[in-house]
Amino acid sequence: KNEVEQSPQNLTAQEGEFITINCSYSVGISALHWLQQHPGGGIVSLFMLSSGKKKHGRLIATINIQEKHSSLHITASHPRDSAVYICAVPGSWGKLQFGAGTQVVVTP
Amino acid sequence: EPEVTQTPSHQVTQMGQEVILRCVPISNHLYFYWYRQILGQKVEFLVSFYNNEISEKSEIFDDQFSVERPDGSNFTLKIRSTKLEDSAMYFCASSEGLAGVGDTQYFGPGTRLTVL
Repeated sequence: KNEVEQSPQNLTAQEGEFITINCSYSVGISALHWLQQHPGGGIVSLFMLSSGKKKHGRLIATINIQEKHSSLHITASHPRDSAVYICAVPGSWGKLQFGAGTQVVVTP
Repeated sequence: EPEVTQTPSHQVTQMGQEVILRCVPISNHLYFYWYRQILGQKVEFLVSFYNNEISEKSEIFDDQFSVERPDGSNFTLKIRSTKLEDSAMYFCASSEGLAGVGDTQYFGPGTRLTVL
């Protein structure tokens, strides 16, 4: 079983600040997923990455497969970025094993 | 854009009652999943389904749970005799291929199950 650890558990930032969320896992994988859970509960996939870096708008995800570590960065954070950000690793039959999530609050 | 839908959005039931949670995955997807999230906890895998049969199930998915795809479009999760500890948000997800080899899983909005 892959142990997925995220840090920090909670994060409060002021609008405009740069935010970093970290994720580490114990068993080698071919790809890692970053997801966003809205306050209402819905889950949206943000990134799936297997190497290097991916960018989507103000979100940047990086992964180091050898070190079993990934980071999600939010540049120029905005209150609408407030959500729970979750990393997840795939297992057999594609099932996702989720981290505990990072609650991000961005204040104006 | 295609999306996964789930009904109902909220279900309240008495302990011991049967509930059926319904999902309509994205039409060309082949892999289907149920996850649950107890309030304040992380999302947990329940079961995966492929080619009209269960491909894997977790320890949580005991004999009280069953899944089926009755008509090629709907994907249902049945809990035969609900317990208080079944209260959670249940998410359905689907993907065209396997998440481990590069495919994204698409999640439904969830069904909040409350067992009284």
